Amino acid sequence: EAGVTQSPTHLIKTRGQQVTLRCSPISGHTSVYWYQQALGLGLQFLLWYDEGEERNRGNFPPRFSGRQFPNYSSELNVNALELEDSALYLCASSLIQGVDTQYFGPGTRLTVL
Amino acid sequence: EDQVTQSPEALRLQEGESSSLNCSYTVSGLRGLFWYRQDPGKGPEFLFTLYSAGEEKEKERLKATLTKKESFLHITAPKPEDSATYLCAVDPNDYKLSFGAGTTVTVRA
Repeated sequence: EAGVTQSPTHLIKTRGQQVTLRCSPISGHTSVYWYQQALGLGLQFLLWYDEGEERNRGNFPPRFSGRQFPNYSSELNVNALELEDSALYLCASSLIQGVDTQYFGPGTRLTVL
Repeated sequence: EDQVTQSPEALRLQEGESSSLNCSYTVSGLRGLFWYRQDPGKGPEFLFTLYSAGEEKEKERLKATLTKKESFLHITAPKPEDSATYLCAVDPNDYKLSFGAGTTVTVRA
């Protein structure tokens, strides 16, 4: 069974640009979560989508947004990129919302110059 | 504020030298505690979920235990391939995981 997939693997952008990251959950999983892992800061929760709705978001500015599609795949959009947005962006999925284990994808490495 | 603290930050072991990693947490409520393993530049790999105090789970050389305030990950007779960063996370009743900073384990042959 295929795991969580993310694209692209790596991305280089400049300050002020916009970026879109993509995630496909494990088949049958309806919840998708996004996390940011910046150097030295650990994993920080960004967003949670379930059944196409945003259910919760972490302490990030509104320029971080996303959506979930009817096939449960998801996009994370980051506008007006700043240098500190450089990080590994991880997507996870779970079978049901909340308690069930979250399984992570390989991540997208974003570098902002 | 919910907090997850892992110790030690780094652990260097000789192959076969057993040890334990600690994860202490202060949360308003606990739905579950999770252990993950992460290799450099990769996504976290799921290891265990623990739901209630007294629960234990094992997988190969790893064993996770849970009390009301902390969890331990015991590594028995580690091998070089067990070298990784081990992450602890809690689900504090708000459907988002709070992660600790991790313990980086290096096992020398």
